[in-house]
Amino acid sequence: QVRLVQSGAEVKKPGASVKVACKAPSHTFSSYGITWVRQAPGQGLEWMGWISANNANTNYAQNLRGRVTMTTDTSTTTAYMELRSLRSDDTAVYYCARVASDAFDFWGQGTLVTVSA
Amino acid sequence: QSVLTQPPSASGTPGQRVTISCSGSYSNIGSNSVNWYQQLPGTAPKLLIYSDNQRPSGVPDRFSGSKSGTSASLAISGLQSEDEADFYCASWDDSLNGHWVFGGGTKLTVL
Repeated sequence: QVRLVQSGAEVKKPGASVKVACKAPSHTFSSYGITWVRQAPGQGLEWMGWISANNANTNYAQNLRGRVTMTTDTSTTTAYMELRSLRSDDTAVYYCARVASDAFDFWGQGTLVTVSA
Repeated sequence: QSVLTQPPSASGTPGQRVTISCSGSYSNIGSNSVNWYQQLPGTAPKLLIYSDNQRPSGVPDRFSGSKSGTSASLAISGLQSEDEADFYCASWDDSLNGHWVFGGGTKLTVL
């Protein structure tokens, strides 16, 4: 089992930014990619983007380009997802997951981000 | 509106076999493998099937996946009460510089 541990819940005002952390096991970190998926209340899964932990290449969902940035810190084996100019419809649980064999094989526990004035 | 189309709900009684469909297009299912995820209430999704029909270690063989053309299916045999969950299909889509797409999810109820 590979355990991804995410940072805690956040409450933000519209227009603010949020940065969610995802801590991965150190011995496998650079061999895989990390993807981010969000789920609005009562809704389905939405893919946000992906980052290679090996070379930091990224691929973002078209509807989030310009507002989202994904990074990794290999020294702490932690991936980050920053979302800017938050709106109320960004309220969701944000998940990180490891990408292996073209699938998301292990997931973090999720981070609730609430955007409210 | 999700790129991959799933029925919003499915149901069955204990012991039955149920199937959940996932319909896409040439740029996603027709050209790339399909994965299935199970999300139990209040928990993170879990990988159930990858590469169309492969089960990760620990997933019971009651779960099976198949694909034909631009459609895929998840079958659950010997239905159990603990199988009640939301199920999502996913695939890589080659359009728009490439991106992952999900189905809208199917809520499985065990009657």
